[in-house]
Amino acid sequence: DVKVTQSSRYLVKRTGEKVFLECVQDMDHENMFWYRQDPGLGLRLIYFSYDVKMKEKGDIPEGYSVSREKKERFSLILESASTNQTSMYLCASSQDGREPYGYTFGSGTRLTIV
Amino acid sequence: ELKVEQNPLFLSMQEGKNYTIYCNYSTTSDRLYWYRQDPGKSLESLFVLLSNGAVKQEGRLMASLDTKARLSTLHITAAVHDLSATYFCAGDTGTASKLTFGTGTRLQVTL
Repeated sequence: DVKVTQSSRYLVKRTGEKVFLECVQDMDHENMFWYRQDPGLGLRLIYFSYDVKMKEKGDIPEGYSVSREKKERFSLILESASTNQTSMYLCASSQDGREPYGYTFGSGTRLTIV
Repeated sequence: ELKVEQNPLFLSMQEGKNYTIYCNYSTTSDRLYWYRQDPGKSLESLFVLLSNGAVKQEGRLMASLDTKARLSTLHITAAVHDLSATYFCAGDTGTASKLTFGTGTRLQVTL
């Protein structure tokens, strides 16, 4: 089974800090994604990556950046954390053309900015 | 651009009853997916529907796809409390398997 591992389940950081959320998948998937989920707003795509060192902006990239130096790891960076970035962050991976189709999600990181 | 709409957004149903969640999408989607999310948890895959007329069933849940109507349904038979969760449908356009999600249907099954 594909495993997508997010480094922290719960995280509390201070306003203005630089925050790193890490995501690692173990099935050689090319595609990786970061979403945030807020009540009433559904899942919103922040950034995604088709391959190593490639990244594409999603729907809400402002205030975030990403890094993909290795195929298995996709990091989300909050450059200067703000309270409106308090949210549940979900990482997912996928691979074109082979099963399992669709996303495999990590367990999520609930981030609180104080 | 693919848009996915689910309804209802919230569904409260009694144990033992049947109900259907609807998922409409705006343009051609290569596949249609259903996910389940328990409170405070991540999403897990339920079904992948690959072609017109596809039907998948597991336990009390059955999903179907009508690509001509751009409609997928998730039918719940004789609901039980354990099915209480939020259900998402999603479509993809085949580009890097990037999915577009509906807003989710929160299902609450009461005794």
